[in-house]
Amino acid sequence: GAGVSQSPSNKVTEKGKDVELRCDPISGHTALYWYRQRLGQGLEFLIYFQGNSAPDKSGLPSDRFSAERTGESVSTLTIQRTQQEDSAVYLCASSLDSSTFYGYTFGSGTRLTVV
Amino acid sequence: QKEVEQNSGPLSVPEGAIASLNCTYSDRVSQSFFWYRQYSGKSPELIMSIYSNGDKEDGRFTAQLNKASQYVSLLIRDSQPSDSATYLCAVNKGTGTASKLTFGTGTRLQVTL
Repeated sequence: GAGVSQSPSNKVTEKGKDVELRCDPISGHTALYWYRQRLGQGLEFLIYFQGNSAPDKSGLPSDRFSAERTGESVSTLTIQRTQQEDSAVYLCASSLDSSTFYGYTFGSGTRLTVV
Repeated sequence: QKEVEQNSGPLSVPEGAIASLNCTYSDRVSQSFFWYRQYSGKSPELIMSIYSNGDKEDGRFTAQLNKASQYVSLLIRDSQPSDSATYLCAVNKGTGTASKLTFGTGTRLQVTL
């Protein structure tokens, strides 16, 4: 597609429920990144994919968080047993590859609210 | 020490003036540097990248890099009210194909009429 597409744009869920967030990267971009941004705060790295492998999962906050990617396409970020502290905007970005010289293109994000 | 540090601001400049945004980073092996603009409620948008010491100009924007001082800056000439946003500095310190961007917390810029 022309840009990075994320869905849903907004999600309100009850504490304890599982949620799935979807990211569709720019066509041809092999690298895909997930970040989290809490209200008024900076971007917190979660995980990135090069192709369908995840070389760096160091930012996943707990084992309630997982992500997968099929081929060089769609990625889903799953949060199990959501907690109120999971409330944030989850941003997905893609890049031609994960070498050092490319910046990212971000999607518009999924705003997650856990009530 | 944070990996990427920015003054949170707000930095207030009058319309038409030069806005100067600064960023320092801690890891000397950092290889590439980016500036993103983020409007309130929106996602970050890439505006500049720089890889070598010196200046890089693109329209009203100039990025400056000094690797010896571990310092990168963004100058915005002829500032406009539409430039009012948070500016995020990002650093890529990876090597080869194992890398990610580390972001500063951003500097909020206000351009006043």
